[in-house]
Formats: sequence, structure tokens, C-alpha cells
Amino acid sequence: EVQLAESGGGLVQPGGSLRLSCAASGFTFSAFWMTWVRQAPGKGLEWLANIKEDGSDTYYVDSVKGRFTISRDNAKKSLYLQMNSLRVEDTAVYYCVKGNWGDYWGQGTQVTVSS
Amino acid sequence: DVVLTQSPLSLPVTLGQPASISCRSSQSLLYSDGNTFLHWLQQRPGQSPRRLIYGVSNRDSGVPDRFSGSGSGTNFTLKISRVEAEDVGVYYCMQGTRWPLTFGGGTKVEIK
Repeated sequence: EVQLAESGGGLVQPGGSLRLSCAASGFTFSAFWMTWVRQAPGKGLEWLANIKEDGSDTYYVDSVKGRFTISRDNAKKSLYLQMNSLRVEDTAVYYCVKGNWGDYWGQGTQVTVSS
Repeated sequence: DVVLTQSPLSLPVTLGQPASISCRSSQSLLYSDGNTFLHWLQQRPGQSPRRLIYGVSNRDSGVPDRFSGSGSGTNFTLKISRVEAEDVGVYYCMQGTRWPLTFGGGTKVEIK
């Protein structure tokens, strides 16, 4: 059974940083692209970033370029999102997603940016 | 960026009756390899999204056959043949043909 478990969310002040993690199991992690998607309170879904199977290629939505970094450790079957220079508008539930096609979603981790 | 426009925004349905959701794309979602990367997600209240349909019309494992997807190019439809109480939630289309990946704004299905 595919499982994705996000962690690392919390309350942070504007300008601060957080590192989200996603522990994957139930599939061959190193064989799949991985994705981060977020959902602001009461809003729809927003794709943030993707990373290739071996980590050699990454893509970002314009609103997070230069502030967020996606990475992975295939040996640990883990996906990461380093978030710097956080803004109030980054407040959302952050989801780890298997593949580029929305295959499987984690339960999400809440990030709140507020002073 | 590809803009996906869903309609209606809200869909009140009587139990046992059919429902239909439209997703229109600002650009053709036909990829150069002949595939169309248009998928449908369901998000029940308080839950994470779950994919129902991939590649326009392919049902994911465990998805009831009352759900079906159709369409091509820029116009796509998700149909529920007979709505059940467990189908309440928000439905999103998403496209993976062109970067960046984008989602429709969602359609909220509720029981009348």
C-alpha cells in the first residue's frame, strides 16, 4: 500500500523558514517523479514543485522560485521542501504527491505564517 | 499557463440521480505522444485529494464504476451515474500535459 507521510509544518513568522519532509513507502520511490502541492484555507489546489526520479531536474511555480527548494533522498525514501522567506500568503496545507499525475496524496501538513 | 475552468462551481444533486462536471482548458491537452494528461480528483470534506480518473477516462483502482470521464482536446467531463452520499465533496480536474501543472478551481458536489 502506497503511503506518504508529511511532517515539519507549524507556525512561523513572516520571513522565517521551515523544512517539510515526506516519508514514502509501499512503492519504488526512486522510480517516480515527486510533487509538492498546497491548498490555502478554503481554496483550491496549487502545484508548487516537481523533482525527477534521480533529483537531476526540478521545476517550480513562479510564486515560490528562489524561495523554496525541492529535494529528495532516495536511500531514505524521502522528499523534502525547504521553504525560506515565508510570507503570510504561504499559509496552507502542504501535500506530498507521488508522480506527476496526482497518483497518491499524503495527509498534508499545515504551515501557518503569521506574526 | 494552462487555465482549467470548471463548471458548475456548485452542484446540488438528489441521491440516486446523475451528475456531470465540465472542465474546459485554455489550450489543447493533447500531448505530442498522443496521450492527454487530464485527470480528475475527489476531495471529501476534511480529507486529502484522491485521484479518480487519469488520462481522461481511466478509472483508478477501487473507484466505483459509477464514475466516468470523457472528452478530448480542450473539453472534458466527469460523470457520476447515480450519486451516493459518499460522493459529497469537491472535484478537481488537473492537467499534466504542459508545464506548469495546473488544477481547475473545483466543483462542490452536495446532496439536495
